[in-house]
Amino acid sequence: DTEVTQTPKHLVMGMTNKKSLKCEQHMGHRAMYWYKQKAKKPPELMFVYSYEKLSINESVPSRFSPECPNSSLLNLHLHALQPEDSALYLCASSQEPGQGNEKLFFGSGTQLSVL
Amino acid sequence: GNSVTQMEGPVTLSEEAFLTINCTYTATGYPSLFWYVQYPGEGLQLLLKATKADDKGSNKGFEATYRKETTSFHLEKGSVQVSDSAVYFCALSDRRGSTLGRLYFGRGTQLTVWP
Repeated sequence: DTEVTQTPKHLVMGMTNKKSLKCEQHMGHRAMYWYKQKAKKPPELMFVYSYEKLSINESVPSRFSPECPNSSLLNLHLHALQPEDSALYLCASSQEPGQGNEKLFFGSGTQLSVL
Repeated sequence: GNSVTQMEGPVTLSEEAFLTINCTYTATGYPSLFWYVQYPGEGLQLLLKATKADDKGSNKGFEATYRKETTSFHLEKGSVQVSDSAVYFCALSDRRGSTLGRLYFGRGTQLTVWP
C-alpha cells in the first residue's frame, strides 16, 4: 500500500461550521504534512508532524487545528473559516523525517469551499 | 534564504517534441532537488530527484541534472506525449536542522501536449 488517502474529496462549509479533514497512510511513515494549495499556485506548507509530534507550524491561523492521533492518521479541524480559506488541502507523508532528501507521498486532496 | 524559480508557463507542445522546463534555485545550505508532477484533480507525485551536485535524476523519460555551478535543475524530455500534460513543480529541501521537513516549491509550469 503506497497511498495516502484523504477524505472527503470535496467539502462545502459555511463560516460558522465546524468540520474535519482526514488523512490516512499505512506505509509506516513517521512524518506527515498538511499543505494548502490555491488554484494555479504551488502548495504552501501549513504543518509538519514528526513522530506524532507537531514540529512545524507555519504561523497558521488558529481556525485551523491539526491533530495526529496515531502514526497512521492526521486530521485537520476547521472552525470559523473565511471564504479566502477555500483551497485544495493536501496531506503528505514521508518515511523518515528530517533527512532532507526524502520522498513525499501526497494524497489527492480535499477541495474545500467556504461560503 | 531558500527559493526556487521556474520558467513561466504555460508551455504548449506537439506530441514528440522536445521539452525543457527551466528551474534555478537559491539555497543557504546543501539542498536536495526534486521535480514533482500534478495531474488534473490529483495530488503531487515525485517525478525525480537528485541529492548532490552532478547527480542526474531520471524517470519515465524525464531527466534533470543537479548543476551546482549554475544553481540549476532543468527538466528535459526528448519526446513528450499527450499523457505528459500536467503541472510540473521544481522543489528543494534544505538539510540544515532548522528547515528539515520543509519543501520549497517553484510556482509550477503548466504543460499541455497536443496530438
